[in-house]
Amino acid sequence: DAKTTQPPSMDCAEGRAANLPCNHSTISGNEYVYWYRQIHSQGPQYIIHGLKNNETNEMASLIITEDRKSSTLILPHATLRDTAVYYCIVIRDDKIIFGKGTRLHILP
Amino acid sequence: GAVVSQHPSRVICKSGTSVKIECRSLDFQATTMFWYRQFPKKSLMLMATSNEGSKATYEQGVEKDKFLINHASLTLSTLTVTSAHPEDSSFYICSARRSGFGANVLTFGAGSRLTVL
Repeated sequence: DAKTTQPPSMDCAEGRAANLPCNHSTISGNEYVYWYRQIHSQGPQYIIHGLKNNETNEMASLIITEDRKSSTLILPHATLRDTAVYYCIVIRDDKIIFGKGTRLHILP
Repeated sequence: GAVVSQHPSRVICKSGTSVKIECRSLDFQATTMFWYRQFPKKSLMLMATSNEGSKATYEQGVEKDKFLINHASLTLSTLTVTSAHPEDSSFYICSARRSGFGANVLTFGAGSRLTVL
């Protein structure tokens, strides 16, 4: 089973920041948190990953709590093209296991 | 950037026939590839891990004789759905891990939608 918990769906207004939470309370000290997204009928796309420090790239920012039990993916200026299912993943036995993810709706 | 090509993108076949899906890493070598399947409005389910030059490792409940996986080179893995039945209709997605790239950053193919009549 996936080791993460995410809300099933979220709405965000276009142009605003989308903040997607993820709970991974059983994460181990050396396990990374990965975020992928899947736009309808396409293969998943890697977004970002982190261990304990906050990370930022051209797509998003990842904020990891100090106890590492949760994290938040931030899309700073959401557009309609960011409508997708977002998956927060902690690797298990060297495999990427997808949970149910969060379906993000960007509202025009 | 890393690109994974998956072919065919769509295939329709008759019940009882076999279908082969190819997954190629175009600009990098992949010692490990993963095969997933996805039913409508469901999440991706890992089917098997494909390792170059060795037998694939199947997840529990996935029939290895029905879903044949071959990873003969560092850039190609194939999934063959043998004696396909309508319940095998699904979206099949492959992914590749870059050799020596370290972290578990996978590049996914665009997926292959199989419809068995």
